[in-house]
Amino acid sequence: RKEVEQDPGPFNVPEGATVAFNCTYSNSASQSFFWYRQDCRKEPKLLMSVYSSGNEDGRFTAQLNRASQYISLLIRDSKLSDSATYLCAVRGSARQLTFGSGTQLTVLP
Amino acid sequence: GAVVSQHPSWVICKSGTSVKIECRSLDFQATTMFWYRQFPKQSLMLMATSNEGSKATYEQGVEKDKFLINHASLTLSTLTVTSAHPEDSSFYICSAKERTSTDTQYFGPGTRLTVL
Repeated sequence: RKEVEQDPGPFNVPEGATVAFNCTYSNSASQSFFWYRQDCRKEPKLLMSVYSSGNEDGRFTAQLNRASQYISLLIRDSKLSDSATYLCAVRGSARQLTFGSGTQLTVLP
Repeated sequence: GAVVSQHPSWVICKSGTSVKIECRSLDFQATTMFWYRQFPKQSLMLMATSNEGSKATYEQGVEKDKFLINHASLTLSTLTVTSAHPEDSSFYICSAKERTSTDTQYFGPGTRLTVL
């Protein structure tokens, strides 16, 4: 079983739609959780950290469910510029980041 | 914000040659740098963790004699792909962790290696 699993998609949604991604992790001792955005042929860029209480940044909401070991990302009112691959990442006690395989999102006009 | 650079951004080489990729933290000191590899449509896979002044720690399945890592200063780590073969063609990305930070990693722009 992979340490971090994501639905690869692709998700094709119209502009203005709400879309949600989930990510599950296998190591219950994982300590920190993140969502990254990666554009084609570019490096990943940190979108937001994920906290137990849930956190929001504009149109983006991230949540963590430790009991079920999954994190989620909700994008509201999606824009064309949101088209990218979204990677979840988990950090364990060894302080290393483990990435999911990414979920591809295409927002259509 | 903190900036990490990589050089070269892309390289094409013949099979059997060695390629060196540099990762630099431009405006901060990085005690730890990480090297990742990403094949098309796959995730970033950690290859090794490099601590300044000490030997790198390689992940399982990564050949340390093939992927030589040197982290001689707080702002520079290098990855040398020795005797590269077509299957080594990939996107190599480094990230650096600030000396004063416990969690924040900053990614370089990546190096695309194509071995003919």
